[in-house]
Parts: sequence; C-alpha cells; structure tokens
Amino acid sequence: KNEVEQSPQNLTAQEGEFITINCSYSVGISALHWLQQHPGGGIVSLFMLSSGKKKHGRLIATINIQEKHSSLHITASHPRDSAVYICLLNRDDKIIFGKGTRLHILP
Amino acid sequence: EAGVTQFPSHSVIEKGQTVTLRCDPISGHDNLYWYRRVMGKEIKFLLHFVKESKQDESGMPNNRFLAERTGGTYSTLKVQPAELEDSGVYFCASSQNSRTGHGYTFGSGTRLTVV
Repeated sequence: KNEVEQSPQNLTAQEGEFITINCSYSVGISALHWLQQHPGGGIVSLFMLSSGKKKHGRLIATINIQEKHSSLHITASHPRDSAVYICLLNRDDKIIFGKGTRLHILP
Repeated sequence: EAGVTQFPSHSVIEKGQTVTLRCDPISGHDNLYWYRRVMGKEIKFLLHFVKESKQDESGMPNNRFLAERTGGTYSTLKVQPAELEDSGVYFCASSQNSRTGHGYTFGSGTRLTVV
C-alpha cells in the first residue's frame, strides 16, 4: 500500500468552479506540504501544514491529523491554476511525494 | 533573496556520456535535497545533504550517480555514464529545518534528455 495517495489523478473543470484535491496518508508525519508544478516549469511550495487550515488568496489547505487526510481547495478557479498539484509528506527526515493531481481549468 | 538555482536548465547528451548538474541552495540553508521525475512517473527522492554530509542517499538509483556538496554550499549531481532511463527532470530543494521542511524552496529543475 502506498504511504500517500492523492485523488483525483486528473481533473478537468470549467473556469470559476470550486476545486478540491485530496491527499490521504498512512504514516505518522511531522508536516505536509502542497506543491504546484506548472507545465515545463519548476515547483512552487504553496503550503506547509502541521495542523488546521491555511489560506492564501484563492487557495485553502486543510489537514486532519487524526484522519490522516489533507485537502487543497481552489475557489473561483482560473485557467492559470492549471498545473500539477503534489502532496509531500515529511516523515522524520524523510520526504514522501504523492503522485500528483493534474488539474486543467477550461476557459 | 535569491532562490534555489539549478544549472543547466536543459541538457541533451548521448548515452554513455557524462553530465553534471549543479544546485545552488538558498544561502544559510543547511539542508539540500535532490529529486527526479522520470517520464510519466511521480517525483522520487534521491538524496539529502545536511551541510556537506550525506544524511540520506537511499534514493540514489545506482552507482552511476554521484552527488557532492563541497563545503556545504552548492551541490553537484554527476551521472556517469548516462543511460536512456536517466532522462527526466532533476529538482533540487533547500530548507532550514529538515524535520518539518519549513522553508522548502525548490529550484526550477534541470531537464535531462539522454539520446
């Protein structure tokens, strides 16, 4: 069983829709990160979470440590949000990457 | 503040040749990580430096890969000899705190194509 699972793997939505990307994990962690990778581009760290909820602009990230689950939400989605969103776990000094969710927002 | 810099951004080499990738972390970040994404697969951890020491190199695929971080500053990742399956994007990241990853910053990656 994979230590981290992201869903969905691929998501296509219309501009303006509310987007939710999920990350479930099965190991103890010290922190969880959401990353964004644009096509052909580098990786940007969006959030680091160890508990609760964080908000930055139209992006909201939540984590439930007891349920070992995190969600990334995008409100009022826009075509420029199209990217791969990756869940990354910190476990002790180890780092575990999710497989990513490919998001495509249609104009 | 300068970010994590990787060089080159792209490299195309022939099978059997040698390539050296470089990563300059953010100044003051003791932790430096190398990752790679090969075609169609998820990002995989390669290794982790704390200053000049290799903290964890469990992700290095084989002995054709050699990473160094002389003086605890920039790091190099050498692939010798390169094989076709080494093609992919190689990312570097740095952070101050390895346990929480607080302050992770990623470089833009080096796209390596082995032909």
